[in-house]
Amino acid sequence: QQQVKQSPQSLIVQKGGISIINCAYENTAFDYFPWYQQFPGKGPALLIAIRPDVSEKKEGRFTISFNKSAKQFSLHIMDSQPGDSATYFCAASPNAGNNRKLIWGLGTSLAVNP
Amino acid sequence: SQTIHQWPATLVQPVGSPLSLECTVEGTSNPNLYWYRQAAGRGLQLLFYSVGIGQISSEVPQNLSASRPQDRQFILSSKKLLLSDSGFYLCAWSVGSNTEAFFGQGTRLTVV
Repeated sequence: QQQVKQSPQSLIVQKGGISIINCAYENTAFDYFPWYQQFPGKGPALLIAIRPDVSEKKEGRFTISFNKSAKQFSLHIMDSQPGDSATYFCAASPNAGNNRKLIWGLGTSLAVNP
Repeated sequence: SQTIHQWPATLVQPVGSPLSLECTVEGTSNPNLYWYRQAAGRGLQLLFYSVGIGQISSEVPQNLSASRPQDRQFILSSKKLLLSDSGFYLCAWSVGSNTEAFFGQGTRLTVV
């Protein structure tokens, strides 16, 4: 059972456009929602993260929107660039002491055409 | 600063051969350590995690095992590799209540 559902599986965007990736979760105990970016042949790296006490967090061209009542969160990439082409993973983590296991979405492969 | 080392970067092994992948973390103490596997075009599957020396939790029944002989060393092993063990193996660490996970560069394992 996939606890974090991510969509779409793949996305093609023109340079300068907005890329939007969505995630939905089931467990109301989740309290940490990161997005990771992975380039081919590399390990994922944290891009941006949010906690449920805010509805939006922005870092440069990257924004997380969080809807607690709907149990959904999304990543928006403004002014998408070819260098943004990568696989993006959403994840969620429950408040369960020191060992914070991340529950991962299946990933979205983003291609930004020049 | 903290760094994570994972090796080798690529590995081609015959079916039935043993496996040992090593991961070490520098610059932090008592990290949580994780082994993930990523099949081609797929998401991240958590295989094992460890909260301390000798403490290993297995997430998925499989042909693999993990050990943590030292605080900052995490080893992934197999006695006999299967074709289905092929994939991209990632080691990661986090510390305490800080949930950010830092990943190594991964090992591309091909079982032939």
